[in-house]
Amino acid sequence: KQEVTQIPAALSVPEGENLVLNCSFTDSAIYNLQWFRQDPGKGLTSLLLIQSSQREQTSGRLNASLDKSSGRSTLYIAASQPGDSATYLCAVYSSASKIIFGSGTRLSIRP
Amino acid sequence: DAGVIQSPRHEVTEMGQEVTLRCKPISGHNSLFWYRQTMMRGLELLIYFNNNVPIDDSGMPEDRFSAKMPNASFSTLKIQPSEPRDSAVYFCASSIDRREAFFGQGTRLTVV
Repeated sequence: KQEVTQIPAALSVPEGENLVLNCSFTDSAIYNLQWFRQDPGKGLTSLLLIQSSQREQTSGRLNASLDKSSGRSTLYIAASQPGDSATYLCAVYSSASKIIFGSGTRLSIRP
Repeated sequence: DAGVIQSPRHEVTEMGQEVTLRCKPISGHNSLFWYRQTMMRGLELLIYFNNNVPIDDSGMPEDRFSAKMPNASFSTLKIQPSEPRDSAVYFCASSIDRREAFFGQGTRLTVV
């Protein structure tokens, strides 16, 4: 059974810092991995999608990496801003065609 | 495309009543997912469909929950009878051929 874990559960950093969010999964047989952002009381916004054959994807200040063999992904946020404050969720599209979510990292950027 | 559309956005109902949540996936997408989100349990996959066929409903918590997808552009999640512990945000998502998944804005259900 695929399980997805995100560490840390919460993170607070001062504005301008670079930071890394971690995601791990137990079964390396995946189709893709997707990072989402969720603001309080809102829906999920897709940030980056990494196909199983890819190692990383970049969008603006965001960079996501994927190491299938070790069951790990990281989301790197450069030059963090207060507007980056949100919960970040990692989701794995498993070989069973299910999309399984981690519990998320609640990020707070202090001005 | 307007994205995944869910209705209603908010629903308040009394315990014991029937609740029906609706979802319109993105046109052309062949997979549809229903999730429930709570503070305690995070995002839980309830059921998913592929080409309108339910593939895995092992996440449906009880027989009170049922889901249908009568055609490629519409799905419902029904709770009958509803209970206070069903209060949560319910999300619908769609994708095509195991690619990027897109989520609706969710339905916030409150059962009193």
